[in-house]
Amino acid sequence: KQEVTQIPAALSVPEGENLVLNCSFTDSAIYNLQWFRQDPGKGLTSLLLIQSSQREQTSGRLNASLDKSSGRSTLYIAASQPGDSATYLCAVRYSTLTFGKGTMLLVSP
Amino acid sequence: DVKVTQSSRYLVKRTGEKVFLECVQDMDHENMFWYRQDPGLGLRLIYFSYDVKMKEKGDIPEGYSVSREKKERFSLILESASTNQTSMYLCASASGSRFRGFNTEAFFGQGTRLTVV
Repeated sequence: KQEVTQIPAALSVPEGENLVLNCSFTDSAIYNLQWFRQDPGKGLTSLLLIQSSQREQTSGRLNASLDKSSGRSTLYIAASQPGDSATYLCAVRYSTLTFGKGTMLLVSP
Repeated sequence: DVKVTQSSRYLVKRTGEKVFLECVQDMDHENMFWYRQDPGLGLRLIYFSYDVKMKEKGDIPEGYSVSREKKERFSLILESASTNQTSMYLCASASGSRFRGFNTEAFFGQGTRLTVV
C-alpha cells in the first residue's frame, strides 16, 4: 500500500527562522509530488509541483526538493513569517493523489 | 484563473437524508476526485473518475456513490447520511490518462463542511 509520511507533525518557530518540512513515500513510482498549504477550515492551495524527473522547484521563499530514488522530499521555507502559519501537506501522484497527514506550522511574531 | 467550485461551504443534514455534494471545474480536466478529511486521519480518497461516465472506488467508498454525467461536474452522493459521515469533503481535478500519464498539477475546491445530526 502506498504511504506518505510527514515529519514533524507540528512545528513552532519564531519569525525569521528558516525551516524544513519533510515528506517520505514508500512507492517511488510517482508521476509527481505536490506541496499544498491549508488554512483552518479551508481548501488546499497548491504551492509547488515537482515532476518525477526534477530535483527541485522554487517559488519565492519556498524551495522544494525531490529525491525519488530514496522516496523523500523537503519543503524549505526561508525567513518565515506569521502569515506562513498553516498546515502543509505533501501529496504524491500515482494515478490518484496520496497524502501525508501534514505538518502544522506556527510562526510567532 | 483556474477554478474548482464546490456547491456549498457548510451543510447540515439529518440522519437518513440523501445528500448531494456538487463539484464543478472549468479546466477541461479528465480526472476528478472526492476526498474526506478528518482530524488525525488526513485526506482519504472516496471515489475518483478518470473521465466522463467513468468512476473508480477509492479507499473508503462505503456509504457513498458518485455521478459524472458531464466532464466538468462530479457529484458525491450520500445515499443515507449517517453521523459518522460528518466531515470536511474536498473535491479536486487534474488532467491525465493512462496513455499520457498523470504528471499535471491538481487543483482543489474550497471544501464542504458537512454535519449530519
